[in-house]
Amino acid sequence: DSGVTQTPKHLITATGQRVTLRCSPRSGDLSVYWYQQSLDQGLQFLIQYYNGEERAKGNILERFSAQQFPDLHSELNLSSLELGDSALYFCASSVGGGREGNQPQHFGDGTRLSIL
Amino acid sequence: SQQGEEDPQALSIQEGENATMNCSYKTSINNLQWYRQNSGRGLVHLILIRSNEREKHSGRLRVTLDTSKKSSSLLITASRAADTASYFCATDAGSQGNLIFGKGTKLSVKP
Repeated sequence: DSGVTQTPKHLITATGQRVTLRCSPRSGDLSVYWYQQSLDQGLQFLIQYYNGEERAKGNILERFSAQQFPDLHSELNLSSLELGDSALYFCASSVGGGREGNQPQHFGDGTRLSIL
Repeated sequence: SQQGEEDPQALSIQEGENATMNCSYKTSINNLQWYRQNSGRGLVHLILIRSNEREKHSGRLRVTLDTSKKSSSLLITASRAADTASYFCATDAGSQGNLIFGKGTKLSVKP
């Protein structure tokens, strides 16, 4: 058990809809990362928050947004959903907020999003 | 773009054999990490090797890093059926210090 909790585990919705994915980081970790994993693109970094502030931004679409709350949990909001957004979305956490490649990241088990 | 590229894409071996997976990357790094992903689960961190290290061990895992060739290898000795998973390398070569993952090697260990 990584200590990172993601809800829901599965989500099925239709094109054009909006969903919110939730992540609770491991106790003591201040950084939260969001990744998208699909068969064709592999694991893509979306965004990082550190102690409530955006720290790094990757290949995140404008239709997607995220935030980290004072209790350090994070939410990823996906809107105007398209078929191509179907993927596994992972949250990971780490202790620090510097050059995060220097630290292991702890992953949740993901949310599987299916767009019909 | 993918920074790390694992090779082979898939590997099938018998229990007890050794498994070697390779990772090549393109730009200079400060460190490289290996992760394992069981089917339907999140990634699990295995080992981190810094650019000034050449070899690192953790249990049955041995990781090497050759910065001159921009490559790393992960060796799993005396493999077990439970080692069946996908293995990813990740480098800290992202423009903002973020990790960039390869597409992984799918390892199948047959009992």
